[in-house]
Amino acid sequence: DADVTQTPRNRITKTGKRIMLECSQTKGHDRMYWYRQDPGLGLRLIYYSFDVKDINKGEISDGYSVSRQAQAKFSLSLESAIPNQTALYFCATSDRRSLYNEQFFGPGTRLTVL
Amino acid sequence: GNSVTQMEGPVTLSEEAFLTINCTYTATGYPSLFWYVQYPGEGLQLLLKATKADDKGSNKGFEATYRKETTSFHLEKGSVQVSDSAVYFCALNSGNTPLVFGKGTRLSVIA
Repeated sequence: DADVTQTPRNRITKTGKRIMLECSQTKGHDRMYWYRQDPGLGLRLIYYSFDVKDINKGEISDGYSVSRQAQAKFSLSLESAIPNQTALYFCATSDRRSLYNEQFFGPGTRLTVL
Repeated sequence: GNSVTQMEGPVTLSEEAFLTINCTYTATGYPSLFWYVQYPGEGLQLLLKATKADDKGSNKGFEATYRKETTSFHLEKGSVQVSDSAVYFCALNSGNTPLVFGKGTRLSVIA
C-alpha cells in the first residue's frame, strides 16, 4: 500500500541535543508538510514543501529546520532541543494534481525533551 | 487569515446517541472543508470533505454540510458506536494552501 512513514516513532532526548525526524512516502505526492500536535492546541504547521526545491515556513518554524532530500523524503531537525518542543509530530503529503489538496498523514513521532 | 473554530471537548455520549460537533470557519475566497479523525495512537485520517456551498460530505455514517451563509461545517452522526471514540478535527484550505486545523474535539462513547 502507498504510505507515509515516520521514524522514529518515539524519541526521548535531552535539552540541547540535535534531533532529526524523518518522513518517507510512497504515494508519489510532490507536497509534504510537518505539523506538531499539542493537547488543546490542535495541529500547527511548522514547514511545508511543494517540491524538492521549495521550502516554506509555517506558523511555528522558530527552532526547527527542514530538508527535502528527494521527492519522497522530508526531514525535520531540531538543532538544539528544548523541553517545550515536547509534542507529537506529524508528517503529511498531498498531490498537486488533486483538486482539493487533501492531505494524508503519517502515524506520528512522539518526542520528549527532558 | 484562515481560521477554524470547533467546539471544545471532551464530549461523552452513550452508544446509539446522536452526535453533533460544531465547526465554524473564517476564510478568504471559497475554501474546501474537511473533517479528519484521529484514533488512539494513530495519525489523522480523512473522514469526509466538501468543496463548495451546500455540498454534503459523508462517510461511515458521518455527515457534514458546507453552509456558506453561516460559515459552518458541523459534523453529525445519527447513532454513535464505541468504535467512534476518537479526536475529530475540522480543517480548511483555500486553493493550494496547507490545511488549517481546529483544536480538535475528543469524543468518548460508552456502552
